[in-house]
Amino acid sequence: RKEVEQDPGPFNVPEGATVAFNCTYSNSASQSFFWYRQDCRKEPKLLMSVYSSGNEDGRFTAQLNRASQYISLLIRDSKLSDSATYLCVVKTGNQFYFGTGTSLTVIP
Amino acid sequence: GAVVSQHPSWVICKSGTSVKIECRSLDFQATTMFWYRQFPKQSLMLMATSNEGSKATYEQGVEKDKFLINHASLTLSTLTVTSAHPEDSSFYICSATEIGTEAFFGQGTRLTVV
Repeated sequence: RKEVEQDPGPFNVPEGATVAFNCTYSNSASQSFFWYRQDCRKEPKLLMSVYSSGNEDGRFTAQLNRASQYISLLIRDSKLSDSATYLCVVKTGNQFYFGTGTSLTVIP
Repeated sequence: GAVVSQHPSWVICKSGTSVKIECRSLDFQATTMFWYRQFPKQSLMLMATSNEGSKATYEQGVEKDKFLINHASLTLSTLTVTSAHPEDSSFYICSATEIGTEAFFGQGTRLTVV
């Protein structure tokens, strides 16, 4: 079983739409969770960390459900510039495990 | 924020030659660095975990004699692709972490073996 499972998409949404990405992890001992964004031919960059209480940064909301071992990312009012691949990342011990990434294309 | 610098950003080499990629943490000490490979439209695949002053730990299926990793200091790790072949062409990315923080990524190295 993979450490991190993520729907690869692709998601094609119109500008202004709300889109949600989901991710599950297999190790209940995992202690830190992140969403990274990766643009084509670029390195991943941290979008936001994910906390049990949920956290919001502008149009982005991340949530963690430890009981279900589930992480989500919600993007409201999608912009063209949100088009990218979103990677779910789980830290277990000293190791980082990556989901396959979900491709998002925001259409004008 | 913490910065990780990776060099070179792209390289083209002839089949059979070796290529060295450097990964430096610029404003923090990275006890652990990670090396990933990413093929087009795929996610990052961990190749090895590099700990300062000790041998790297390689993931299953990654040839340690082909992908030589050296982590001689707290700010520098190198990956050498030895006797490169066209199938080694890929995007190689390093990341480094301080204790308790997220991973910071280098800019990546696009390797093309011709």
